[in-house]
Amino acid sequence: EPEVTQTPSHQVTQMGQEVILRCVPISNHLYFYWYRQILGQKVEFLVSFYNNEISEKSEIFDDQFSVERPDGSNFTLKIRSTKLEDSAMYFCASRDPTGYYPDTQYFGPGTRLTVL
Amino acid sequence: GNSVTQMEGPVTLSEEAFLTINCTYTATGYPSLFWYVQYPGEGLQLLLKATKADDKGSNKGFEATYRKETTSFHLEKGSVQVSDSAVYFCALSWGLTGGGNKLTFGTGTQLKVEL
Repeated sequence: EPEVTQTPSHQVTQMGQEVILRCVPISNHLYFYWYRQILGQKVEFLVSFYNNEISEKSEIFDDQFSVERPDGSNFTLKIRSTKLEDSAMYFCASRDPTGYYPDTQYFGPGTRLTVL
Repeated sequence: GNSVTQMEGPVTLSEEAFLTINCTYTATGYPSLFWYVQYPGEGLQLLLKATKADDKGSNKGFEATYRKETTSFHLEKGSVQVSDSAVYFCALSWGLTGGGNKLTFGTGTQLKVEL
């Protein structure tokens, strides 16, 4: 069964450093998402991406964040200058709006980002 | 804006007990409703969903019915097992066809099932 994959599973970085989190969505899906979950808190929407542009973003997704689909398979989240409060689990998800379940998002296993 | 409210956890049950996790929502229009499950150390897995009023989603013995009149989507299971121990998230999405349809999650309810 197709699945969303994410790398790395755990990323440790120093405050102020740039990080890139990588995701490979399900191949025929058209919408891509990033969410984050700070330890012990709810899952929060960051951004959605469609047709090579951002379709919606939350207040959390400020100028320090960017997303890119550099090729036909990868979807990345970049944090330019990490802060301590960026420490969280970051989930990628994808959705096929033309499929049998057009409103269902499928999640990857997550990348745990630790900022020291 | 859209929001989801879940009952506080943790919920601790004995094996074979009946489970209910309450979920209510506030939304514009007619959202789709979901339950996701997060097992220890893992990501989010879709458990079940319902897309319109009176729909019942079911999977692995879990059920939830989309109740528009009470804006609720409570999760139930008749007989829980130790392997059901996890965090359960209620979520909604709403948007125009072809729109972003971001998910709005509740805070999650931790379920612990003991022998």
